[in-house]
Amino acid sequence: AQSVTQLDSQVPVFEEAPVELRCNYSSSVSVYLFWYVQYPNQGLQLLLKYLSGSTLVKGINGFEAEFNKSQTSFHLRKPSVHISDTAEYFCAVSGRDNFNKFYFGSGTKLNVKP
Amino acid sequence: KAGVTQTPRYLIKTRGQQVTLSCSPISGHRSVSWYQQTPGQGLQFLFEYFSETQRNKGNFPGRFSGRQFSNSRSEMNVSTLELGDSALYLCASSLGTMNTEAFFGQGTRLTVV
Repeated sequence: AQSVTQLDSQVPVFEEAPVELRCNYSSSVSVYLFWYVQYPNQGLQLLLKYLSGSTLVKGINGFEAEFNKSQTSFHLRKPSVHISDTAEYFCAVSGRDNFNKFYFGSGTKLNVKP
Repeated sequence: KAGVTQTPRYLIKTRGQQVTLSCSPISGHRSVSWYQQTPGQGLQFLFEYFSETQRNKGNFPGRFSGRQFSNSRSEMNVSTLELGDSALYLCASSLGTMNTEAFFGQGTRLTVV
């Protein structure tokens, strides 16, 4: 089985500042990694995913993440945040043997202040 | 194209009752997965259906069940509702093969009183 740890439950940041949301995972098999965003009273929207290949993955809305196999991490970054980025962000992992079964982290609430 | 549609959006039920939630996937998608989201436990996988067959199952009691129809629409049922079943239930649809994206619906908010 897999598991995901998001160490920061809340991250406050000022508008136009950079941000990094941390995600660590554990798995006994090779994995796929994902970041999703959830706005209030909404479902989940995929920001980006790592399936294979380049470890630096670029997603929508200017977000990117880097897969680090040795540190079992998949941190999400954005060089300059906007007020509209205020939302909850979830890191997820699935095993390559069970690719449609996602294990989610507990989420990080990003609060962008003016 | 139309996204994933979950109905109803909100539901209030009494302890002991049963409930059925519906999910219509994106046209052409054959896989539907269900997740329960609560403040305490976060997002937890319930089960996945692919071509009318349950392909994966999470660690939930037998009170939680599901099915998928030939048009890929899926329903999940919870019997003998408990207060702890209050949650946002999300479904995700995908083509069901590797390297394909899962698209989530807006969810059904179930409140058990």
